[in-house]
Amino acid sequence: DTAVSQTPKYLVTQMGNDKSIKCEQNLGHDTMYWYKQDSKKFLKIMFSYNNKELIINETVPNRFSPKSPDKAHLNLHINSLELGDSAVYFCASSQDLPTSNQPQHFGDGTRLSIL
Amino acid sequence: KNQVEQSPQSLIILEGKNCTLQCNYTVSPFSNLRWYKQDTGRGPVSLTIMTFSENTKSNGRYTATLDADTKQSSLHITASQLSDSASYICVVTPYSSASKIIFGSGTRLSIRP
Repeated sequence: DTAVSQTPKYLVTQMGNDKSIKCEQNLGHDTMYWYKQDSKKFLKIMFSYNNKELIINETVPNRFSPKSPDKAHLNLHINSLELGDSAVYFCASSQDLPTSNQPQHFGDGTRLSIL
Repeated sequence: KNQVEQSPQSLIILEGKNCTLQCNYTVSPFSNLRWYKQDTGRGPVSLTIMTFSENTKSNGRYTATLDADTKQSSLHITASQLSDSASYICVVTPYSSASKIIFGSGTRLSIRP
């Protein structure tokens, strides 16, 4: 039983296309996140939702749009993909807000490659 | 300069040996300081979480320490195993803004038999 699952695991597409990454958690958590891990392995937070409400929206191009249809799902849609979008995108969840001392549970990432 | 700096960048040790990884941060005050283990091709897994007022936290063979005066945290791994080969990431969540969660670049640890 995967706690945080992302699909697809790999995504290879052409520049300019629009793509979506899906994330689901079965832990009953209230908060979900999207992170980007670049080629230098730095992880950076992009978005966070708590009970379907956006609580963190970092400096991310508006080509990136998260959508949370319910507490268990947080999808990421990316318009007009650019070469610089190539990275590994991680979804995560936690029981409470990020400032709480609850662990975050991560999915195994979606490896996005832009040709 | 990143507000969370980790050292060494990479480390190779023999199986069974102990090691200590370092994390220096400038973020203060913070809500929590976390250590994660990230296996190749996988997502990070939480090892320890410490609040500003704690100075040590253990999880099996992993022990994290925190010195708020020097703004340093260490992750000590005892009796290393081959499965400990991974990247270890230090993460600090500022007290004032969770949106500024700051990740270190990690230490790549390799355990040799």
